[in-house]
Amino acid sequence: RKEVEQDPGPFNVPEGATVAFNCTYSNSASQSFFWYRQDCRKEPKLLMSVYSSGNEDGRFTAQLNRASQYISLLIRDSKLSDSATYLCVVNTNSGGYQKVTFGIGTKLQVIP
Amino acid sequence: EPEVTQTPSHQVTQMGQEVILRCVPISNHLYFYWYRQILGQKVEFLVSFYNNEISEKSEIFDDQFSVERPDGSNFTLKIRSTKLEDSAMYFCASSGRGIGYGYTFGSGTRLTVV
Repeated sequence: RKEVEQDPGPFNVPEGATVAFNCTYSNSASQSFFWYRQDCRKEPKLLMSVYSSGNEDGRFTAQLNRASQYISLLIRDSKLSDSATYLCVVNTNSGGYQKVTFGIGTKLQVIP
Repeated sequence: EPEVTQTPSHQVTQMGQEVILRCVPISNHLYFYWYRQILGQKVEFLVSFYNNEISEKSEIFDDQFSVERPDGSNFTLKIRSTKLEDSAMYFCASSGRGIGYGYTFGSGTRLTVV
């Protein structure tokens, strides 16, 4: 099983749609989780951290399910500007060693 | 908004040559990182740096790689003898609070080894 696994997509959705991405991780000791957004040939940008209780930022909702070892990102009312690749990032502290692992990313294309 | 600055934006070098990639992290940040992304692949961790020393490094970060913080503002990545497979986008990142809090990436240096 990959350390961090994402469906690479692409997800093609119409404007205004709701879309959800999942990301699974293999190490149950993983401690912190993030969603980053990456536009084509640009740097990743932090979208949001993912907290155990779930968290929301405007149209974006992130959730963590530790029992099943996955995190999710829900985007409501999709905008054309949401078109990007969404990277799942997992931080694991194992024996004092910090390891940050990126998923391959899920590509979202919002179409008019 | 504070940003991480990287130079150059694109570097072309011949195989076997040394390259130095430069980064200016956000001024009050204490944790610094280098990542790379080969075209079409995932972002990969190379090294983290805190308190003037390497705190973590990946298996990619072998003896050909080194990092320095030569003064209070710059953070550099040196590749001693470049290989074709070193061609990638190299991202510098910095954080005020450490690896568990997310960080800010620079816009990257595209390294092409020919």
